Amino acid sequence: GQQVMQIPQYQHVQEGEDFTTYCNSSTTLSNIQWYKQRPGGHPVFLIQLVKSGEVKKQKRLTFQFGEAKKNSSLHITATQTTDVGTYFCSQAQKLVFGQGTRLTINP
Amino acid sequence: AAGVIQSPRHLIKEKRETATLKCYPIPRHDTVYWYQQGPGQDPQFLISFYEKMQSDKGSIPDRFSAQQFSDYHSELNMSSLELGDSALYFCASSSPGRTNTEAFFGQGTRLTVV
Repeated sequence: GQQVMQIPQYQHVQEGEDFTTYCNSSTTLSNIQWYKQRPGGHPVFLIQLVKSGEVKKQKRLTFQFGEAKKNSSLHITATQTTDVGTYFCSQAQKLVFGQGTRLTINP
Repeated sequence: AAGVIQSPRHLIKEKRETATLKCYPIPRHDTVYWYQQGPGQDPQFLISFYEKMQSDKGSIPDRFSAQQFSDYHSELNMSSLELGDSALYFCASSSPGRTNTEAFFGQGTRLTVV
């Protein structure tokens, strides 16, 4: 079935550095959702993108949906220790997560 | 606001026993998803239901079965338990009929097979 791939699998940054994770699909997606799972917690919905080229911001987080609707990115500006966790992308209707990107931060 | 309720929160079973995990979705949500998350791993999709019918199937072992009932709650039945079934099992619910198809996850059931 259709599944998205995420890169990188792991990312370690210094607090204050930026972070970006990418989500790629070989086929066109009708939409994309992003979730965050903190260590020991459950996945929590962050955002849904639907339109080609759509960009949405949530404070330090910027989400982008590619023009061809085959890729998406999540960029965090000036990371904080509260950003630690694993970030997942998925198409809304299927909600099948890829491997996710695990972000760790050096304070 | 009501969230997704999973019960029990913790469960300890012996090998070859059976277990039943329950999920109560958010009111008016008609879709339920089940996931298995092993230690240090990412959530693996098991199965989903929409309007009480199976809508998608993932890597669910044949020893497991699930269903969604008329009140939309769902149960995951696990038989002939193996040590490798020890994991955190998440349930999520959503309402795809609406514009915002955000899924809400429960706190999970931690199953330990000994």
